Amino acid sequence: NAGVMQNPRHLVRRRGQEARLRCSPMKGHSHVYWYRQLPEEGLKFMVYLQKENIIDESGMPKERFSAEFPKEGPSILRIQQVVRGDSAAYFCASSRQPGQGAGTLSEQYFGPGTRLTVT
Amino acid sequence: AQSVSQHNHHVILSEAASLELGCNYSYGGTVNLFWYVQYPGQHLQLLLKYFSGDPLVKGIKGFEAEFIKSKFSFNLRKPSVQWSDTAEYFCAVKRVDSTLTFGKGTMLLVSP
Repeated sequence: NAGVMQNPRHLVRRRGQEARLRCSPMKGHSHVYWYRQLPEEGLKFMVYLQKENIIDESGMPKERFSAEFPKEGPSILRIQQVVRGDSAAYFCASSRQPGQGAGTLSEQYFGPGTRLTVT
Repeated sequence: AQSVSQHNHHVILSEAASLELGCNYSYGGTVNLFWYVQYPGQHLQLLLKYFSGDPLVKGIKGFEAEFIKSKFSFNLRKPSVQWSDTAEYFCAVKRVDSTLTFGKGTMLLVSP
């Protein structure tokens, strides 16, 4: 599970700047998930991507946030015009092809997270 | 909407004490259940998971969890905790057609 790489580990941005968070999935994994962890909160699902496709973005704010997982390179979570409320830990997870139906779930492996601080 | 409740936000125990962390979920259909652990400064790791079959699931490091369908619960247990078990523990639930939903976490502090 240490194979999921995230960078940077810590990111400081001033209000109004852009934040770019990167996630490289484990070798052989083609599915990426982004989660946000606010202080005193659990992880909240944001978006689920496959190579070049967004599968489910129901947890992502409609404005300022976007995510991509290109054919080549890491998945990127982009936050434009950051505000103080965006300060959080952002975790990425990856999996193989998730199964269809209960009992065939593909396990998600988590990266170390990026801690974003907006000043 | 599906939700996952962890009963205690903070738990403090002495070494060798027994541990039980509660987890309840709201969805009535078929679910997969997980417990993740996050040691200080480290990323989330899977402790154990339940898909089907025996409702008593054994995980790593002596942890186990019991799925009680009638109570919508998946409590985590360990008979004798160690100082090295100090960490934050997250319960998570996944429906077939949905993504993982996490509880808010329980911070366990084990005093030597």
